[in-house]
Amino acid sequence: AQSVSQHNHHVILSEAASLELGCNYSYGGTVNLFWYVQYPGQHLQLLLKYFSGDPLVKGIKGFEAEFIKSKFSFNLRKPSVQWSDTAEYFCAVNPNTGNQFYFGTGTSLTVIP
Amino acid sequence: DAGVIQSPRHEVTEMGQEVTLRCKPISGHNSLFWYRQTMMRGLELLIYFNNNVPIDDSGMPEDRFSAKMPNASFSTLKIQPSEPRDSAVYFCASSRGGVGSPLHFGNGTRLTVT
Repeated sequence: AQSVSQHNHHVILSEAASLELGCNYSYGGTVNLFWYVQYPGQHLQLLLKYFSGDPLVKGIKGFEAEFIKSKFSFNLRKPSVQWSDTAEYFCAVNPNTGNQFYFGTGTSLTVIP
Repeated sequence: DAGVIQSPRHEVTEMGQEVTLRCKPISGHNSLFWYRQTMMRGLELLIYFNNNVPIDDSGMPEDRFSAKMPNASFSTLKIQPSEPRDSAVYFCASSRGGVGSPLHFGNGTRLTVT
């Protein structure tokens, strides 16, 4: 069965620190990859997505993610976090075979001013 | 674009009562998904529809849960009878359908069953 692993459950950083959130998936075929962000009390919003081409994709608010096919990973990064980045971050995998999305359990990020 | 619209935003009900959650997907989107979010289990897919047809309902917890999509602009998720363990935030999401189309989420319905 397909699965998505986010190993960091809770991350606490000070403002201006660099961020990297891990995401690994288990699926042998072609996939589309997504990161969603959920601010406190709000719905999930798309942060960035990868379909094909350049494995380094840039999203909104200075976030980027790198797809490493050999490691089945799609880690999210930001060079300098802000207090407003405090949120829950979800990695999602969409196999190329259909509409099904598989979400990770999420990583809670707290940025301390 | 009004986004995915869910109602109600909050629902508090007593155990045993029927609960109906509603969702209006983004116009032109062919796929609709119902998710449940809890602290313990995270984000779980309950069911999804393509062109109003249920494709995968393997995530529906039990027969107390049912979902319908009578037309392209409306879907309901019903729980009858409701139980305290059904308390969660229920999200509806829609997409254009097809591989790689991102999901667009509604604001969710926070359900509390006492």
